[in-house]
Amino acid sequence: DTAVSQTPKYLVTQMGNDKSIKCEQNLGHDTMYWYKQDSKKFLKIMFSYNNKELIINETVPNRFSPKSPDKAHLNLHINSLELGDSAVYFCASSQEFSGAYEQYFGPGTRLTVT
Amino acid sequence: AQTVTQSQPEMSVQEAETVTLSCTYDTSENNYYLFWYKQPPSRQMILVIRQEAYKQQNATENRFSVNFQKAAKSFSLKISDSQLGDTAMYFCAFMKKETSGSRLTFGEGTQLTVNP
Repeated sequence: DTAVSQTPKYLVTQMGNDKSIKCEQNLGHDTMYWYKQDSKKFLKIMFSYNNKELIINETVPNRFSPKSPDKAHLNLHINSLELGDSAVYFCASSQEFSGAYEQYFGPGTRLTVT
Repeated sequence: AQTVTQSQPEMSVQEAETVTLSCTYDTSENNYYLFWYKQPPSRQMILVIRQEAYKQQNATENRFSVNFQKAAKSFSLKISDSQLGDTAMYFCAFMKKETSGSRLTFGEGTQLTVNP
């Protein structure tokens, strides 16, 4: 009964490659997020989608492109990977308009760029 | 912009004892939420406790409780009867209530080690 799932959990790739991370939630939430956790464990918001519409787009290189095919899925595609993209990427979801506000996180994807 | 500060990068406590983790934040907002998340070595981010700013009563979840001081912009987490499984990185987080897309702003984290 996984609530927020991400695939893959580990991703090792070379500089210059293109890769995608997938996220799915079965909580019936209407809002999904991508956060990045750097090597010092600092977490920062990257993107947020509400019902397939982009509503938060932080200062992130345009090599990062989120896509939400439906409100249960939010994918992250990264072009031309760089060493500095190595991090843990977390997907999260919440139900915005019911008065609930807690964000539930997926298990994270550790991306290593060599 | 909101900022969250956790001034204790590392803390340790003996099993069964009580420990308090500090968090301060800076905001001009009046309507917001505060959270503590736990990240054990498994990497999973787990919600520990939440507090609505408009509530004066401090939130409690079993062995976890908060001391919310709105005027001082302080939000500390107290863990009672510490257990080995409490060993984790603890993050304080702020959320401004938005009409949509309520982002979490995190502190730098406090690594807590519970010793047997």
